[in-house]
Amino acid sequence: QSVLTQPPSVSAAPGQKVSISCSGSSSNVGNNYVSWYQHLPGTAPKLLIYDNNKRPAGIPDRFSGSKSGTSATLDITGLQTGDEADYYCATWDSGLSEVFGTGTKVTVL
Amino acid sequence: QVQLVESGGGVVQPGRSLRVSCAASGITFSSFGMHWVRQAPGKGLEWVALISYDGSNQYYGDSVKGRFTISRDNFRNTLYLQMNNLRPDDTAVYYCAKSETHMIGSLNFWGQGTLVTVSS
Repeated sequence: QSVLTQPPSVSAAPGQKVSISCSGSSSNVGNNYVSWYQHLPGTAPKLLIYDNNKRPAGIPDRFSGSKSGTSATLDITGLQTGDEADYYCATWDSGLSEVFGTGTKVTVL
Repeated sequence: QVQLVESGGGVVQPGRSLRVSCAASGITFSSFGMHWVRQAPGKGLEWVALISYDGSNQYYGDSVKGRFTISRDNFRNTLYLQMNNLRPDDTAVYYCAKSETHMIGSLNFWGQGTLVTVSS
């Protein structure tokens, strides 16, 4: 059972913006860096954001992350059909485990 | 380039054991922590285990603690997950993933996964 809560789904038209929230607690999000992953079923998940708001090389700046207190947010601007996927937040928990969010399905209308 | 290739998945009966492997190339394997993460059919990603760069520290998710063992061979650049007393709810695609640091941190590269099916 995940300790990080995300909305099950978000959707928007091409070119628009979606925001995905990730709600945790002081034992995880509140005191550790948050990462975000994109996952198309049947493929390898891909790191999109690390250390709350940094992008690995090759990730477009349409993807951005932020954190405030015990919540984090992933924003996707200029939405494209290729962005349809499942998105997960994750962080380390002081209970000595990595924890993933419940996952959010992004649909491009 | 970085490659992580999982192998060893298959169909196994409940209560039996299975070991899956992850062969790494294109990285200094012995410098990084390594994770196993799984995805059951129709479910989200679930973290399974982490091992530090030198194998001296291991951490496990509650659902596998006491049944699964993560290990590594830094000479063979290979990560392992020994799964004992398997249950039907262990059925999942198992991914290995590289940590950005010697232990915890973002999972900055993932393999394609290997499917484990626990069924009689």
